Amino acid sequence: AQSVTQPDIHITVSEGASLELRCNYSYGATPYLFWYVQSPGQGLQLLLKYFSGDTLVQGIKGFEAEFKRSQSSFNLRKPSVHWSDAAEYFCAVGDDNNNDMRFGAGTRLTVKP
Amino acid sequence: DVKVTQSSRYLVKRTGEKVFLECVQDMDHENMFWYRQDPGLGLRLIYFSYDVKMKEKGDIPEGYSVSREKKERFSLILESASTNQTSMYLCASSLSSSGSYNEQFFGPGTRLTVL
Repeated sequence: AQSVTQPDIHITVSEGASLELRCNYSYGATPYLFWYVQSPGQGLQLLLKYFSGDTLVQGIKGFEAEFKRSQSSFNLRKPSVHWSDAAEYFCAVGDDNNNDMRFGAGTRLTVKP
Repeated sequence: DVKVTQSSRYLVKRTGEKVFLECVQDMDHENMFWYRQDPGLGLRLIYFSYDVKMKEKGDIPEGYSVSREKKERFSLILESASTNQTSMYLCASSLSSSGSYNEQFFGPGTRLTVL
């Protein structure tokens, strides 16, 4: 079965600084990869997804992620963080056999003024 | 836009009570899911359903049951609530697919406290 690891539980960055959130997955076939964001008290919102094709995918709110098969990684990046980006971020991998999805434990992002 | 709604944002129940959490989606999705979210554990799948009256156990089904009598509605039932079921519960839905995968759309969540 597929699984996802997010090594960083909590990250703090200064507003305007760049951001990279790490995600490693375990899956036998070509993975379906997602990044979701959850603002306090809210549900999950899809930031971006990778199914196939170009390994650098663009998402909403200025985020991008790069799929690296050799490293089993799908790291999320943003060149300049805004205070409104403070939230919890979840990486997930989907399984096309049963429409199941596995989530990482999440990374909480704090943005310093 | 897909809309997934959950009947309550916050719920407080007592130990031993029967609890119903309701989820409704308006985009004719075949698949519906119930997760619980706990700090440090991410989202864990409780149950999912591929069609009306069909259900499959997820990773942590113990203490829960589900009902799907109509395509748009998926209910999570705690037969006898316990304090260790205090959590955030998230519902999601997705289109069915064959040989591919469709992302899930999430509701706002229900924060359940069992006293």
